Amino acid sequence: EAGVVQSPRYKIIEKKQPVAFWCNPISGHNTLYWYLQNLGQGPELLIRYENEEAVDDSQLPKDRFSAERLKGVDSTLKIQPAELGDSAVYLCASSLNSGGNGGELFFGEGSRLTVL
Amino acid sequence: RKEVEQDPGPFNVPEGATVAFNCTYSNSASQSFFWYRQDCRKEPKLLMSVYSSGNEDGRFTAQLNRASQYISLLIRDSKLSDSATYLCVVNRGAGNMLTFGGGTRLMVKP
Repeated sequence: EAGVVQSPRYKIIEKKQPVAFWCNPISGHNTLYWYLQNLGQGPELLIRYENEEAVDDSQLPKDRFSAERLKGVDSTLKIQPAELGDSAVYLCASSLNSGGNGGELFFGEGSRLTVL
Repeated sequence: RKEVEQDPGPFNVPEGATVAFNCTYSNSASQSFFWYRQDCRKEPKLLMSVYSSGNEDGRFTAQLNRASQYISLLIRDSKLSDSATYLCVVNRGAGNMLTFGGGTRLMVKP
């Protein structure tokens, strides 16, 4: 079974340029997450989707970050314009259920962004 | 104060050693707890859930103390392949409202 697929794996851009990341979750997983991970730190949640609805985007810097999940499947995360401090790994994850005590999160390999 | 706190390490131990990691969480309403493992430049993967009564999976033992808001992971007979970062994860409520700690790095030496 295919896991969570992310692209691109690596992206180098100059500051003030836009960038977009794409994520294809595991088939049938209704919950999708975008996390940001800085070097030496744990993942930090940016946004969580239940199907196509963003149910937790409180940590998403809405002045420059945007996300969408079309038809409740694939998702894109966009940064415009990028700043030097946005350099990090952007991790997408999906899970099968969102109720009860929660289920296992399956992560993609991440998109590593370098802003020059 | 961070919602989930861990000692970042690194913990440098010889093969065969026993090592323990600790984690504290601030939200007393947290409902479920996990340990994830992350290899260098790889994605996090679930290692084990943490149950109130404590649970064991081979060489790994996880314990939870709700009164002290404290979670632990014990690794016995450390292997070189155990070298990784161990992330403490707390579910804040119903549904997958997961918060990750900063991770504890373990390096097992021959």
